[in-house]
Amino acid sequence: DAKTTQPPSMDCAEGRAANLPCNHSTISGNEYVYWYRQIHSQGPQYIIHGLKNNETNEMASLIITEDRKSSTLILPHATLRDTAVYYCIVRDGTASKLTFGTGTRLQVTL
Amino acid sequence: KAGVTQTPRYLIKTRGQQVTLSCSPISGHRSVSWYQQTPGQGLQFLFEYFSETQRNKGNFPGRFSGRQFSNSRSEMNVSTLELGDSALYLCASSSLRGAEQYFGPGTRLTVT
Repeated sequence: DAKTTQPPSMDCAEGRAANLPCNHSTISGNEYVYWYRQIHSQGPQYIIHGLKNNETNEMASLIITEDRKSSTLILPHATLRDTAVYYCIVRDGTASKLTFGTGTRLQVTL
Repeated sequence: KAGVTQTPRYLIKTRGQQVTLSCSPISGHRSVSWYQQTPGQGLQFLFEYFSETQRNKGNFPGRFSGRQFSNSRSEMNVSTLELGDSALYLCASSSLRGAEQYFGPGTRLTVT
């Protein structure tokens, strides 16, 4: 699986959009970009995934650049409950395992 | 739909003992994966089961094993426990191999 690079930490004010970047410059054509988050001591929570088109669901939006070498997860209106470690994972479409990096620790503040 | 459940949630064992952890996937999900999370190594893949067969295995010693039953429930076993096996053990299920995985709350194992 391709390696991902994320900033170790970010802050966001409550109510503002949180934009979490991820670099995956070695991604190959059949690899998807997945986002998970982990709130302290809980199991990781699936957020969203995409191949090359932008995706949106009830939790977030995923913007993937045209060359697919980077992506951004957008939480449109961050709340205190969004404070968590966010993991960007690149994964082959048929692969069973998720390879977690160190992620971005997002702190949402009042 | 009920989520992934794991039992027990907390466990304390002594070095040298063995332990069995249980995971019930989301109804209809046939793939179950196990992960270990420690402060030093982060989240690491242990193994994946699909249709009662181990399909993929991470880089862990043979003391770590698992199995899957016909109803897709899975168990993992760790024999001859070591202090370093203290960790949060997470189970994840997915409907198909390669589909998004949904995690349970984990079992926190402490080895003393």
